[in-house]
Amino acid sequence: EPEVTQTPSHQVTQMGQEVILRCVPISNHLYFYWYRQILGQKVEFLVSFYNNEISEKSEIFDDQFSVERPDGSNFTLKIRSTKLEDSAMYFCASSVLGPYEQYFGPGTRLTVT
Amino acid sequence: SQKIEQNSEALNIQEGKTATLTCNYTNYSPAYLQWYRQDPGRGPVFLLLIRENEKEKRKERLKVTFDTTLKQSLFHITASQPADSATYLCALAAISSGSARQLTFGSGTQLTVLP
Repeated sequence: EPEVTQTPSHQVTQMGQEVILRCVPISNHLYFYWYRQILGQKVEFLVSFYNNEISEKSEIFDDQFSVERPDGSNFTLKIRSTKLEDSAMYFCASSVLGPYEQYFGPGTRLTVT
Repeated sequence: SQKIEQNSEALNIQEGKTATLTCNYTNYSPAYLQWYRQDPGRGPVFLLLIRENEKEKRKERLKVTFDTTLKQSLFHITASQPADSATYLCALAAISSGSARQLTFGSGTQLTVLP
């Protein structure tokens, strides 16, 4: 069964460093998403991506964040200058038809020290 | 502001009983309501989607109801098993017109099924 994959599973970085989180969505899906979940808190929407551009973004997704689909299979989230409060689990998701029936990856745990 | 509330952070039930989880929302006009399951340290897993013009949806031991007047959805697991123990998330997406609108999650209800 096709699944969303994410790498790395765990990333430790120092405050102020840039990180890139990688995702490979399900191949026939058209909509791609990033979410984050701070430990013990709810899953929060960051950004949606469709037709090679950002479709929607939340208030969390400020100028420090960017997304890219560089080669038609990978979908990346970049954080330019990490802060302590960026420590969270980051989930990539994809779907065939908009925000419905989304398939989530296993997540990348980002720890900023 | 828009809000999604799921009742009780934790729910314990005996194996074989029916678990009922509640999701209430305010200031939304959702076309769809979805339920996901999340296990510790894992990503959410889609379970069921119900449309605003549907009153009830079933899938195996799962049943979802959607009352747009009450602004509430109920999620039932019948003949519950210890393997059903997980956190269940309610999620809403507002009416979309061709764009990938955002999905907003509730904080979840942690269900424990006791053997």
